[in-house]
Order: sequence, then C-alpha cells, then structure tokens
Amino acid sequence: QKEVEQDPGPLSVPEGAIVSLNCTYSNSAFQYFMWYRQYSRKGPELLMYTYSSGNKEDGRFTAQVDKSSKYISLFIRDSQPSDSATYLCAPRGRNTDKLIFGTGTRLQVFP
Amino acid sequence: SAVISQKPSRDICQRGTSLTIQCQVDSQVTMMFWYRQQPGQSLTLIATANQGSEATYESGFVIDKFPISRPNLTFSTLTVSNMSPEDSSIYLCSVEFDGTFFGQGTRLTVV
Repeated sequence: QKEVEQDPGPLSVPEGAIVSLNCTYSNSAFQYFMWYRQYSRKGPELLMYTYSSGNKEDGRFTAQVDKSSKYISLFIRDSQPSDSATYLCAPRGRNTDKLIFGTGTRLQVFP
Repeated sequence: SAVISQKPSRDICQRGTSLTIQCQVDSQVTMMFWYRQQPGQSLTLIATANQGSEATYESGFVIDKFPISRPNLTFSTLTVSNMSPEDSSIYLCSVEFDGTFFGQGTRLTVV
C-alpha cells in the first residue's frame, strides 16, 4: 500500500462548480498536510497547509483533515478556468521536513 | 516565501554524459531538497542537502549517480551522472522556509 493515495483524474468540471479533491494516507504519524498546485511545465506551488485535524479556509480554498479516517480534502468554491492544474497532497510528520507526495489529481475547469 | 531559480530549465543530453543542475535561493536556508518527477508520477525525494555536511540520500538513490554540492546557504547543485534514457524526468529543487517551496524544475531528456 502506498503511503499516500490520490485519484489521478482527470476531473473535468464547469466554471463555477465546487470541486472536491481527496487523498488518503496510511501513516498515522503525519501531522502536517500540504496542498500544492502545479501548472503544466511549472514547479509545484504551495497552496495551503493544515496542522492535525480540522479545517482551514483561504479565499475560495478550504483544506480539511480527518485524522481518524486518514482522509485529506481540498475544496475549491466557484472554480475558475485558471484553477486548471494538477493538485498534489503532501503530508509529513512532526519532526521531519520530508514530504510524501500523492500522484496528483489533474483538474480541468471549462468555461 | 522564498524565490528559487533553477538552471537549466530544460536540456536534451546524450546517454553516458552528465548534467549539473543549479539551484539558487534568494534567502539563506538550512535545508535544500532535490526531487525527481517522472512522467505521470508523483514527486520522489532524491536527497536532502544541508550546508556543511554530506547530503542524505533516500532509498534507491546513490551519491555516485546523483552527487550533490551545497557550498553555502543559498546554493546547491545536483549532477545526474552517466545518464540513460531512464533518467529522463523533471528534477526539482526545493527549500524549507516556513513551508516547502519549489523551483521551476529542469526537464531532462536523455537520448
């Protein structure tokens, strides 16, 4: 079993839709949960991160962590064509800087 | 955040040759990381480079194949040695600076 599982997509939605991107993980030691956005031919860009369980909101983006079920979600409200990219979840433990990346979900938002 | 410049952005190399990738950061950072992103796959950590000490390699990666230098707190290089087509990939450097930030990547094609 991989440490981090993520549906590769592609996920295709119309502009304005609410998007839900999800990851599951197996290592209960993970404490920090990052979400990265990667445009084609670019490096990953840190979107947001959460610590332990709970929700965190930043504009149209909400990150949610449920440690009891080892489930991570990123919600995008009012999705825009500019949100079209690959989204990678990347958890890590408390005492390490090593990130474990999911395979990424490719999102396409069409006008 | 940190601004990371990575060179070259892309290259096409002959098998058996070596390529050195440079990574420059606009701030002093303790830890720098080198990742590989193979086509259709997630990011895999190659090694962690701390200034003043030998790089720490992940399982499956060895110093003879991927020698790393870290001469100061703002610069690092990764060399891909004796290349084969299987080394065709995107190579990314990243830094830990209140979050993990990535360079734009080097797209390497070995022919």
